[in-house]
Amino acid sequence: EDQVTQSPEALRLQEGESSSLNCSYTVSGLRGLFWYRQDPGKGPEFLFTLYSAGEEKEKERLKATLTKKESFLHITAPKPEDSATYLCAVQAPILQGGSEKLVFGKGTKLTVNP
Amino acid sequence: NAGVTQTPKFQVLKTGQSMTLQCAQDMNHNSMYWYRQDPGMGLRLIYYSASEGTTDKGEVPNGYNVSRLNKREFSLRLESAAPSQTSVYFCASSPEAVDYGYTFGSGTRLTVV
Repeated sequence: EDQVTQSPEALRLQEGESSSLNCSYTVSGLRGLFWYRQDPGKGPEFLFTLYSAGEEKEKERLKATLTKKESFLHITAPKPEDSATYLCAVQAPILQGGSEKLVFGKGTKLTVNP
Repeated sequence: NAGVTQTPKFQVLKTGQSMTLQCAQDMNHNSMYWYRQDPGMGLRLIYYSASEGTTDKGEVPNGYNVSRLNKREFSLRLESAAPSQTSVYFCASSPEAVDYGYTFGSGTRLTVV
């Protein structure tokens, strides 16, 4: 069964205190790993797609990396506006439909205090 | 603004009532999805539509039906609402090449009492 596990569940940082969020996955035939940001009361917002081990992508203070078993979202010198829930998802096949779906982790709630 | 529009944003139903959640996208995407999000459970796929005229079950389809009315619209129907269907429902769409991920709507918060 395809699974995505995110840790920690919640993380509190002081402004400027860098850290990393973890996403470990088990999926047969990974087609892509996605990171999303979700603000309270809103839908998830796409951040990154990673396809192969060793790949890295950056956006402002965020950098996502991928290995064969996990992905990390590194947050450098975070600001209070980075506070949100960060979701990881893997692209997996829906065997009966021939299509693909995203399987989501439960997310990491990040709070950055000023 | 281009994107995915969901209506209504909030709804309270009594057990046994029915309702339809509406979703429309204006990005000419082929695929559309319905997810539910519950505390501690993450996002779970209810139904999806890979293209106009096709629909298929996801992980948690029981108690729901869907209609892909045209390329733009994908509705989710609860025929007889149950308290277990209290959740936040998200519609999403994607092009065939999902490199840019799914585009999500802002959600419908449904409470069944």
